[in-house]
Amino acid sequence: EVELVESGGGLVEPGGSLRLSCEASGFSLETYTMNWVRQAPGKGLEWVSSISRSSSHIYYAESVKDRFTISRDNAKNSLYLQMNSLRAEDTAVFFCARETVQNAFDIWGQGTMVTVSS
Amino acid sequence: SYEVTQPLSVSVALGQTARITCGGDNIGRKNVHWYQQKAGGQAPILVIWRDSNRPSGIPERFSGSNSGNTATLTISRAQAGDEADYYCQVWDGSTARRVFGSGTKVTVL
Repeated sequence: EVELVESGGGLVEPGGSLRLSCEASGFSLETYTMNWVRQAPGKGLEWVSSISRSSSHIYYAESVKDRFTISRDNAKNSLYLQMNSLRAEDTAVFFCARETVQNAFDIWGQGTMVTVSS
Repeated sequence: SYEVTQPLSVSVALGQTARITCGGDNIGRKNVHWYQQKAGGQAPILVIWRDSNRPSGIPERFSGSNSGNTATLTISRAQAGDEADYYCQVWDGSTARRVFGSGTKVTVL
């Protein structure tokens, strides 16, 4: 079964850091561009970051640029998001998503909750 | 940066047709994808890719079109189980960023 499972969420104080992980199963991560998408409580979906198959092309939303770092380890079939200088407005469920060649997100994880609060 | 706009909500009578729009400058030149997200924090699922293509397992009642400045997701013979938030998404070629619409809440009356 094709599946993505996120982990690493939790409660962190403003200014703190957190590292999210996304483990893929049922397919080879190295053949896909991968993304992080977040959803603040009661709000819509917000694209956060994408990383190409070989990590050669990486992009970020303006809201997280210079604070978040996306990375991947194809050998471990895993995707990561290092989040630094966290703010209250970063509080959200974070989803990882697989991207097709047409730039559609065809497989999503169940999400991991990140809460930034003192 | 590219922006897309969706209506906040759409209501449809049971068994009737719902149409959800996604507006953007010359959006007809872009590939538009649609996602359904049901209440309770469930993960979104892809219901239409590249304007009008249905992934396997998505009912034929879901269809899409895209022309000019508007893309449309159409839900025919609406069922209670279609109640959800629906998001359109495009790839902004000028920045390589992915862009989501703000979402449309569909209510089946």
